[in-house]
Amino acid sequence: SQQGEEDPQALSIQEGENATMNCSYKTSINNLQWYRQNSGRGLVHLILIRSNEREKHSGRLRVTLDTSKKSSSLLITASRAADTASYFCATAVGYSSASKIIFGSGTRLSIRP
Amino acid sequence: ETGVTQSPTHLIKTRGQQVTLRCSSQSGHNTVSWYQQALGQGPQFIFQYYREEENGRGNFPPRFSGLQFPNYSSELNVNALELDDSALYLCASSLAGTDNNEKLFFGSGTQLSVL
Repeated sequence: SQQGEEDPQALSIQEGENATMNCSYKTSINNLQWYRQNSGRGLVHLILIRSNEREKHSGRLRVTLDTSKKSSSLLITASRAADTASYFCATAVGYSSASKIIFGSGTRLSIRP
Repeated sequence: ETGVTQSPTHLIKTRGQQVTLRCSSQSGHNTVSWYQQALGQGPQFIFQYYREEENGRGNFPPRFSGLQFPNYSSELNVNALELDDSALYLCASSLAGTDNNEKLFFGSGTQLSVL
């Protein structure tokens, strides 16, 4: 079963517009991460936000976390054709020195030129 | 490039056969996690190996097994293959015991087709 669920499942926007994806999760977390996957390839880590943080920025990426609502959002500003990919949120469960990372079902983002 | 390599890249098997997938972790990483990703779905956690021992398992039957070697490379073995085992199998390494132990570095995956 998935820990996180992304919304929307698919998103198509014009190049230059902003893209917002949302993630909801079920249990308490240590942190939440966002990953990107180009078609049929491995996932690439984008950004990590800890449970005591509310907002984090990295280049054109902005992530928010609301632990009271068990939700997070990923904003990509000034989108480019190269941003076309699937985006997944992931949560760390367990408190051992090696956390287990559980992924959501993903948002497929398409950028129209 | 993450430094995590998986082999083979593609594999075709028939139902009932056994398969072994291999993963070399990024230099210095001591933890390997395996995921199964069906088409159009998110990666599903199979299990994780830390210091050569299984350190957590997802909802997969015992015919999915693994190993981690002293050099931290890993194998995923699947016995009695079923059609539903057709998927992209992803290996990810990380460094446990640090503040960034949750950050995963993925290989490009092995695409398994079961006929």
